Amino acid sequence: AQKITQTQPGMFVQEKEAVTLDCTYDTSDQSYGLFWYKQPSSGEMIFLIYQGSYDEQNATEGRYSLNFQKARKSANLVISASQLGDSAMYFCAMTHYNFNKFYFGSGTKLNVKP
Amino acid sequence: DGGITQSPKYLFRKEGQNVTLSCEQNLNHDAMYWYRQDPGQGLRLIYYSQIVNDFQKGDIAEGYSVSREKKESFPLTVTSAQKNPTAFYLCASEPGQGTNEQFFGPGTRLTVL
Repeated sequence: AQKITQTQPGMFVQEKEAVTLDCTYDTSDQSYGLFWYKQPSSGEMIFLIYQGSYDEQNATEGRYSLNFQKARKSANLVISASQLGDSAMYFCAMTHYNFNKFYFGSGTKLNVKP
Repeated sequence: DGGITQSPKYLFRKEGQNVTLSCEQNLNHDAMYWYRQDPGQGLRLIYYSQIVNDFQKGDIAEGYSVSREKKESFPLTVTSAQKNPTAFYLCASEPGQGTNEQFFGPGTRLTVL
């Protein structure tokens, strides 16, 4: 069963504007972690941000923030002040505590326009 | 520097040949993973290992095999039984508690001719 859903295959954003990438997840567990990764055209996977299911505050890392809405099972990534270097694929992922498997979404391709 | 290495970056093989992809980490991580990524798609789990000498099948294990004889190494063999082996293969490691980020290698792009 699909655990992570990213409904935006591709998005465009103007440089310096903010953009939200959507992610919804499916789990019956109470303890889990949510991640966002960036994959440039070179192929490497770059960790961006993490949110634990018990964290009451939304995670932030520099220009990245995670809009965590537990009741709606959504974990959207917000990138503020987009830069040309933000153009890449973005993947949402989930893992359960004490269970090592990671589930990845199908990704969103973000293009930042100058 | 600590990290994960995968070699080679590009690999070409003839159809019907087995090929082994290397993955080495010096992060002292217990868990290691292999993913397959097709163009424009997400990552699909092939195999994973939580400790030495133990590994489990992921979602698309058919046609692949792995070994975990050392903590640092988790090689993946793509066998001739794999129907569509051409893909991008990513190796990852994680400390082992299941709540930490996964660290990824640079990937190997395999093309079967």
